[in-house]
Amino acid sequence: DAKTTQPNSMESNEEEPVHLPCNHSTISGTDYIHWYRQLPSQGPEYVIHGLTSNVNNRMASLAIAEDRKSSTLILHRATLRDAAVYYCILVDAGNMLTFGGGTRLMVKP
Amino acid sequence: EAQVTQNPRYLITVTGKKLTVTCSQNMNHEYMSWYRQDPGLGLRQIYYSMNVEVTDKGDVPEGYKVSRKEKRNFPLILESPSPNQTSLYFCASSSWTGGSYEQYFGPGTRLTVT
Repeated sequence: DAKTTQPNSMESNEEEPVHLPCNHSTISGTDYIHWYRQLPSQGPEYVIHGLTSNVNNRMASLAIAEDRKSSTLILHRATLRDAAVYYCILVDAGNMLTFGGGTRLMVKP
Repeated sequence: EAQVTQNPRYLITVTGKKLTVTCSQNMNHEYMSWYRQDPGLGLRQIYYSMNVEVTDKGDVPEGYKVSRKEKRNFPLILESPSPNQTSLYFCASSSWTGGSYEQYFGPGTRLTVT
């Protein structure tokens, strides 16, 4: 299975943008890049996904490198409620999600 | 409200006593799956179902059974639970969006087997 590499933790100040990086150098041509987050004591929550082009939705933006070997999740204005573990996951046609360690985002007021 | 529900949320049981964790979704999704989450191991898929009466093994299926008799329900069955199945369990259902599946997770079931 293609793997992803993320920093263990990151800190941000409230109301500032946050850029969460993810490396996936072994990505295959058909893998989609998904991001999920898990707030304390809750189930994972879908954030965004993309294949090649940058994507935007109400929660975040996803910037995908041209060679697709890395991507960045962008939270435009971090709030305290965005403190969570963020997972970058490659999803193939079988739809199996393989969660790695993720990045623990801490947001300071 | 679109949601995935699981019951029970917390369960303490003894080795060998059969149990079932229920999962239900109200979004008419075809794809459903079960995961377990353990410290240091992340989430691992146990079983998944592409549609009614269609199920398949995930990464860690040993000791578990599932059934999919109706689209909305996907129960997880532990015929003879053992302490190594103590874990946090999540059910998820998926919708097809933008060329891939978007998964919705339930609130989790914390199971302790003594």
